[in-house]
Amino acid sequence: EDKVVQSPLSLVVHEGDTVTLNCSYEVTNFRSLLWYKQEKKAPTFLFMLTSSGIEKKSGRLSSILDKKELFSILNITATQTGDSAVYLCAAVAGGSQGNLIFGKGTKLSVKP
Amino acid sequence: DTGVSQDPRHKITKRGQNVTFRCDPISEHNRLYWYRQTLGQGPEFLTYFQNEAQLEKSRLLSDRFSAERPKGSFSTLEIQRTEQGDSAMYLCASSLLGGGNMSYTFGSGTRLTVV
Repeated sequence: EDKVVQSPLSLVVHEGDTVTLNCSYEVTNFRSLLWYKQEKKAPTFLFMLTSSGIEKKSGRLSSILDKKELFSILNITATQTGDSAVYLCAAVAGGSQGNLIFGKGTKLSVKP
Repeated sequence: DTGVSQDPRHKITKRGQNVTFRCDPISEHNRLYWYRQTLGQGPEFLTYFQNEAQLEKSRLLSDRFSAERPKGSFSTLEIQRTEQGDSAMYLCASSLLGGGNMSYTFGSGTRLTVV
């Protein structure tokens, strides 16, 4: 059965800290991996990763995929209180019609 | 078009009642998905439409659940004889065939509480 596992499930840091969120997957005919940020409502898109070893960056956030070891990481540098959210990782399997297989998420709390 | 809209935002119902949720996708998106998210979990896939055709259903979608997308635009998700275990956030997403996963956009969800 396809599955996505995220760790840690929750994390508390102070402003200015750097955090690394982990996502591992076992997905049949893996196609791509997506990261989302969820703040009590709709998940909002962060990154899509398809190729191994190519880092995607957006401001203080970056992510990379390792298709050999079947994992991805999401890094957030110089964290701010506004980064507090649940970060979701989702995989797309080949043969699916685009439905996403989500992990449970990592709840990040950034303290001032 | 400002994105994917879901209505209502919140619904409280008594066990045994029927409820219906509505999703209005981004107008040019031809794919529409329903997910369910319970506390502390990631969203779980329920069903998917391409235009008006329902092409895939998860085993999570029991026979008390039915979804429609009659004209290939908005969609409804009905739950009959609700149970307390149906309490969850129901998320709708839409995407564009050929747009890849980056076009995948979620609505804000309908939070259902069954009492």
